[in-house]
Amino acid sequence: DTGVSQDPRHKITKRGQNVTFRCDPISEHNRLYWYRQTLGQGPEFLTYFQNEAQLEKSRLLSDRFSAERPKGSFSTLEIQRTEQGDSAMYLCASSLLHVAGDPDTQYFGPGTRLTVL
Amino acid sequence: DAKTTQPPSMDCAEGRAANLPCNHSTISGNEYVYWYRQIHSQGPQYIIHGLKNNETNEMASLIITEDRKSSTLILPHATLRDTAVYYCIVRARTNAGKSTFGDGTTLTVKP
Repeated sequence: DTGVSQDPRHKITKRGQNVTFRCDPISEHNRLYWYRQTLGQGPEFLTYFQNEAQLEKSRLLSDRFSAERPKGSFSTLEIQRTEQGDSAMYLCASSLLHVAGDPDTQYFGPGTRLTVL
Repeated sequence: DAKTTQPPSMDCAEGRAANLPCNHSTISGNEYVYWYRQIHSQGPQYIIHGLKNNETNEMASLIITEDRKSSTLILPHATLRDTAVYYCIVRARTNAGKSTFGDGTTLTVKP
């Protein structure tokens, strides 16, 4: 179990540029989540996938944000035309949804810290 | 998902037990209590979860009141490395989907 990995760990960009982040979940986890966290706040839900299907999107996910999980494994989160307000830590989590039993425990990656200048 | 309430900050002496409270008075019967912690600039780390019975693992113990309206996370022998923000959340038993985090409790372990 190598854990959830995210790349890059840090990204500095200029306002108006596009950025893309990648998340590799724990092997065989069928659910993948994206959260955003600003300084001093808890993580805020953005979206999640079950396999390749995007099941829920938060209202925080404006039309400049898009997430994909094309083969049900890794996922990408793209932000177009970045704004200074997009500066935050972007967290990815994965879980294994069982048919029955306990809820799926989410395991988080180290995050990607985005700074928009 | 039910909302949780935690004190914003707590201190604990190194080597002593840290007891972190959480109120979840609107929890429903099919919701679990989860605890995570986040050390500065890292992703949240899963600690423990429970439904109605007390739980213990290698990291901590979770005590849930009989009415399930509150819980306490216990770190039995706190170390300086336990200094972190601790989050208590509730998640539905089946098909939980997203987690809703509050602002958590900042625990500072002092030498």
